[in-house]
Amino acid sequence: DAGVIQSPRHEVTEMGQEVTLRCKPISGHDYLFWYRQTMMRGLELLIYFNNNVPIDDSGMPEDRFSAKMPNASFSTLKIQPSEPRDSAVYFCASSISGLQETQYFGPGTRLLVL
Amino acid sequence: KNQVEQSPQSLIILEGKNCTLQCNYTVSPFSNLRWYKQDTGRGPVSLTIMTFSENTKSNGRYTATLDADTKQSSLHITASQLSDSASYICVVSAYDSGAGSYQLTFGKGTKLSVIP
Repeated sequence: DAGVIQSPRHEVTEMGQEVTLRCKPISGHDYLFWYRQTMMRGLELLIYFNNNVPIDDSGMPEDRFSAKMPNASFSTLKIQPSEPRDSAVYFCASSISGLQETQYFGPGTRLLVL
Repeated sequence: KNQVEQSPQSLIILEGKNCTLQCNYTVSPFSNLRWYKQDTGRGPVSLTIMTFSENTKSNGRYTATLDADTKQSSLHITASQLSDSASYICVVSAYDSGAGSYQLTFGKGTKLSVIP
């Protein structure tokens, strides 16, 4: 298996633009997680899905952030409009059976909002 | 409030030396504690997971200990190698019976640099 796949790996955009991050989880994993990582705050769980259904989105910082999982092999995290403080590395991860189980992380998307 | 504190924030050691990273937590009720290794520019990778009843767990040159009474964990790296240079993140899981779900609390990590 190729592991968790994320795209793009790097994104540079201007403030106010829409940003869409993409993730393909490991096949057979029922859980998908979106994280944000910054130097100041470390890793933060934004939202996670079980069998394509959002379970907990309490970590989503604002209404500007939204996430979808239309099927078992694809998820998106969208920021609209983007702001400079959204600059961070965004990770997608998946696990077989839950939040507390081993999560397999993707390589991350490094986002810079100018 | 659930918290995970890691120390030191950063550490530089010579290749071949041992080191110990610390993780103190105030998470309750405790479910498990996991150490992740994160290489620069990559996602975290799980090293060990420990439940309440486990005191020690090893993964090659990595040995994690857990003291559930004092709510402390340590990650000991033996005979360090250049490839051990990475950030090490402690993550504690708690079961929220009210919500019927698990919650994760992350430490901010220790950045380890192993130099020749």
